[in-house]
Amino acid sequence: SQQGEEDPQALSIQEGENATMNCSYKTSINNLQWYRQNSGRGLVHLILIRSNEREKHSGRLRVTLDTSKKSSSLLITASRAADTASYFCATVRRDNFNKFYFGSGTKLNVKP
Amino acid sequence: DVKVTQSSRYLVKRTGEKVFLECVQDMDHENMFWYRQDPGLGLRLIYFSYDVKMKEKGDIPEGYSVSREKKERFSLILESASTNQTSMYLCASRVNQETQYFGPGTRLLVL
Repeated sequence: SQQGEEDPQALSIQEGENATMNCSYKTSINNLQWYRQNSGRGLVHLILIRSNEREKHSGRLRVTLDTSKKSSSLLITASRAADTASYFCATVRRDNFNKFYFGSGTKLNVKP
Repeated sequence: DVKVTQSSRYLVKRTGEKVFLECVQDMDHENMFWYRQDPGLGLRLIYFSYDVKMKEKGDIPEGYSVSREKKERFSLILESASTNQTSMYLCASRVNQETQYFGPGTRLLVL
């Protein structure tokens, strides 16, 4: 399957700590995106990194992409209780832009 | 801001009923999608549409059909609901391959 797979499945940290989530995928991609989902809600787009980029920042988010290892990581710095949510990576293949392939997510719990 | 709305947040139906889930987007996006989300399985694509009256099967189309008569509206139809279709259903739209905009989801329970 092309699906991205996130690791770990669940992560629990204290407020102020950094949270790192990883995503692995199987085939060549055009871009990789990270989404956030609050409990029982829809997904919200956080950040996109293209296949020719290695690192991107947006506020407290930092995303890296290693195409040789077919993996990406999402770092949330100085986490807050409000960051508690599930985080999903989605990959867009080079040969099929129509489909986004989502993993099963990392459930992040930030304790106040 | 892009807004994607879904007709119901929660829905309870009986086995065998025909179920309609409606999705509307307000940004003139050509592409619209229906996913179902189940614990441990992530999001799985049911159907998508890249234009009015156009549709393509996703990864799990069995037991579902779709309708796109207007650009802003994409409907998911469960022809004869079954208990294994109990799930969270998410609609999304997008204009290119870069960002999908999701609705709030419909949690469907089939008894």
